[in-house]
Amino acid sequence: QVQLVQSGAEVKKPGASVKVSCKASGYIFTTYGISWVRQAPGQGLEWMGWIDTSKGNTNYAQNFEGRLTLATDTFTSTVYMDLRSLRSDDTAVYYCARDRRQFFGYGTDYWGQGTLVTVSS
Amino acid sequence: NFMLTQPHSVSESPGKTVTISCTRSTGSIATNYVQWYQQRPGSSPTTVIYEDSQRPSGVPDRFSGSIDSSSNSAALTISGLKTEDEADYYCQSFGNNWGVFGGGTRLTVL
Repeated sequence: QVQLVQSGAEVKKPGASVKVSCKASGYIFTTYGISWVRQAPGQGLEWMGWIDTSKGNTNYAQNFEGRLTLATDTFTSTVYMDLRSLRSDDTAVYYCARDRRQFFGYGTDYWGQGTLVTVSS
Repeated sequence: NFMLTQPHSVSESPGKTVTISCTRSTGSIATNYVQWYQQRPGSSPTTVIYEDSQRPSGVPDRFSGSIDSSSNSAALTISGLKTEDEADYYCQSFGNNWGVFGGGTRLTVL
């Protein structure tokens, strides 16, 4: 069965970086893209970015340009989300989700369990 | 870039039908597919509608999706409401290389 398992909760200081992993199993990793979405406490969903797991191409939300990097390791079927220069308003649950297709723009079908990232001095 | 606007909250009684709208600010709603996600407290979102009107396996046929070009909106309709449908619902669509969610709608079944 398809599973996306994310790394554990993180606590970071302002200005630091965080790297969250998302390990996929139960399907051929390179045949579906992976999206990242975050949710601040009590708030709605925010689209962050997408990676083509086969070619490594990426799309990022304008809000995160320059601070966000998505990368893929096809040997371990893992996608990494690296967010730099953290601020207190980056405190959120971060989700990875498998896209319905390899190509961008078709929504997601399976989601990870979420990773809480807390940014606090 | 366009935005998707949803009502903040809706409420309805068990057994009734409710419709949640998702209005696109600029550009045609028909240009890019719309998805709908359900999120219960403390859980990851799950898809209830994809590609405007398609229902994933396992989602009851009480859930349906549509788009209306005249109002430039998408709609999620839930019929025969059950208390278990109480959740937050989010619409999502895409631009050429970016994604966007609506602000979410809290559905209360009372």
